[in-house]
Amino acid sequence: GAGVSQSPSNKVTEKGKDVELRCDPISGHTALYWYRQRLGQGLEFLIYFQGNSAPDKSGLPSDRFSAERTGESVSTLTIQRTQQEDSAVYLCASSLVQPYYNSPLHFGNGTRLTVT
Amino acid sequence: AQSVSQHNHHVILSEAASLELGCNYSYGGTVNLFWYVQYPGQHLQLLLKYFSGDPLVKGIKGFEAEFIKSKFSFNLRKPSVQWSDTAEYFCAVNSASGGSYIPTFGRGTSLIVHP
Repeated sequence: GAGVSQSPSNKVTEKGKDVELRCDPISGHTALYWYRQRLGQGLEFLIYFQGNSAPDKSGLPSDRFSAERTGESVSTLTIQRTQQEDSAVYLCASSLVQPYYNSPLHFGNGTRLTVT
Repeated sequence: AQSVSQHNHHVILSEAASLELGCNYSYGGTVNLFWYVQYPGQHLQLLLKYFSGDPLVKGIKGFEAEFIKSKFSFNLRKPSVQWSDTAEYFCAVNSASGGSYIPTFGRGTSLIVHP
């Protein structure tokens, strides 16, 4: 079956430009997560969506970062006025139910963002 | 806040060697524990998980992990590695009883297996 789909797979942008990253979760998965992985580091939580509840934005590093999700479908992560430290692989994951159950995350292939 | 430590960042082994990757977490409540693997060029995928019951859990490809609650550890083991086990391994934890339920990941361990 179809997995989590992310686009674009690679994005090179100039410092100061805005970028939009897209995630299409597995159909029926109510939970959606965005993580960031900088070179040589672990996965850093950014934001979490659960159904129609208010998202958990506690991991967003600055107000330049925002994300939206319509219902239980596609999510977009937007980074405004990109900085070089934003360069990373941005990973999207979805899961069947709330994370306090043991449902594992299903990851996409990520978007590699390079800010020049 | 919960955190996860993976002590081995880079491990290099020869085929047939035994493997143990360390994972320690900090959280006082009930937890779910996971190991994920990322093979070269592929996405992260679940290797195994623990949420209750037998603390020794078995996953795909001959991997197993043991949950030791008193040590806050969930080490990954495999008795005999293969070249195809070359990958990045991530330990993750989330609360199962409140607190921070969003999975927290360790830094990852890069495993290279020489044929």
